[in-house]
Amino acid sequence: GAVVSQHPSRVICKSGTSVKIECRSLDFQATTMFWYRQFPKQSLMLMATSNEGSKATYEQGVEKDKFLINHASLTLSTLTVTSAHPEDSSFYICSAFPGTGFNEKLFFGSGTQLSVL
Amino acid sequence: QKEVEQNSGPLSVPEGAIASLNCTYSDRGSQSFFWYRQYSGKSPELIMFIYSNGDKEDGRFTAQLNKASQYVSLLIRDSQPSDSATYLCAVNEGTNFGNEKLTFGTGTRLTIIP
Repeated sequence: GAVVSQHPSRVICKSGTSVKIECRSLDFQATTMFWYRQFPKQSLMLMATSNEGSKATYEQGVEKDKFLINHASLTLSTLTVTSAHPEDSSFYICSAFPGTGFNEKLFFGSGTQLSVL
Repeated sequence: QKEVEQNSGPLSVPEGAIASLNCTYSDRGSQSFFWYRQYSGKSPELIMFIYSNGDKEDGRFTAQLNKASQYVSLLIRDSQPSDSATYLCAVNEGTNFGNEKLTFGTGTRLTIIP
């Protein structure tokens, strides 16, 4: 079955540092991946749509210069939280759609819990 | 602004009973509807999707869609303690999942009482 791998699963960093999160599709190619953020006891909020070979499309209110997205290949998208602050602490999840034959499933990565001190 | 509304709960249901989860959506043009289950600290996992008005059954789960009322629900029969989780309703404006984004509801926290 389709697998989306996300690393790291947990990261703790100091305020002001940058953190990179990787999202890989292990057995399929994904021209489009999605990045979500989830605060405690809240739903997933789409941050941006990552497009292979082109610029990401950001949702309203999401700072593109703070949340850098790079979709350099058909199997890898990265999200970099630049100059992280405590309010950026959240659960970040990526997802990708492998295409027909997978029962219309949108596969999610395992998520990254970011804690900024 | 597309909105998906769910009762946040918590919803408590005795083991073996039917759990009923509800969701309404604002975009009348929405085409496909999903129910995800999310355990605490984990990513969502798809339970069911539905496109057409009416009921769709898969094991203990039944999704119900009423596009005229912009309403979608999930029934869980013979509820088990392992069903305790947060259930997210998600709506897609089309059926081209590869390039279209889902809008999620806030989720309903379900607790099955042994």
